[in-house]
Amino acid sequence: RKEVEQDPGPFNVPEGATVAFNCTYSNSASQSFFWYRQDCRKEPKLLMSVYSSGNEDGRFTAQLNRASQYISLLIRDSKLSDSATYLCVVPGNAGNMLTFGGGTRLMVKP
Amino acid sequence: NAGVTQTPKFQVLKTGQSMTLQCAQDMNHNSMYWYRQDPGMGLRLIYYSASEGTTDKGEVPNGYNVSRLNKREFSLRLESAAPSQTSVYFCASSEGLAGGPNTGELFFGEGSRLTVL
Repeated sequence: RKEVEQDPGPFNVPEGATVAFNCTYSNSASQSFFWYRQDCRKEPKLLMSVYSSGNEDGRFTAQLNRASQYISLLIRDSKLSDSATYLCVVPGNAGNMLTFGGGTRLMVKP
Repeated sequence: NAGVTQTPKFQVLKTGQSMTLQCAQDMNHNSMYWYRQDPGMGLRLIYYSASEGTTDKGEVPNGYNVSRLNKREFSLRLESAAPSQTSVYFCASSEGLAGGPNTGELFFGEGSRLTVL
């Protein structure tokens, strides 16, 4: 299994929809997980951190399933401004490094 | 609020030429990183510096060298550029070492787009 795997998408959803992305990871010892958002031709920026079972911030919910080794990102009431690529980030197997997934592209349409 | 500043933002090189990407952060962070991003492959770590005076190889260090000039600055050098090094390069910094027990947020520069012909 790759260290971090994401469905590249794109996910095309209408405004107001709920959309969820999954990310699987291979390092069972990982304790902290992150979702970064990257707009087109811009730098990644931290969206959410996940240290225990999950985290919620407004319309965004991140959940962690340690048994199945995946984390998910749920976006409710999608806005046009949510259109971006969402990067799953976990500690790598080598230690002292973070491993980035390839990203899932979301396109929210009017 | 400069954060992480990278230069240059765009560069075109011919195969075999050398160049240095500069990075500076004003957040007093201990750790700094260089990543490259290629389509569909996510960000891959080239080199990192856990603290001033130390540097370590990341996932894809071949063809690159780095210098942690001081706490603020971390440069990436391509000694003999190859077309395979065409990519977008991101410098990042964090207070603690990413992936370690005090993992925190990574702050990225705006990226440097490098094309090697």
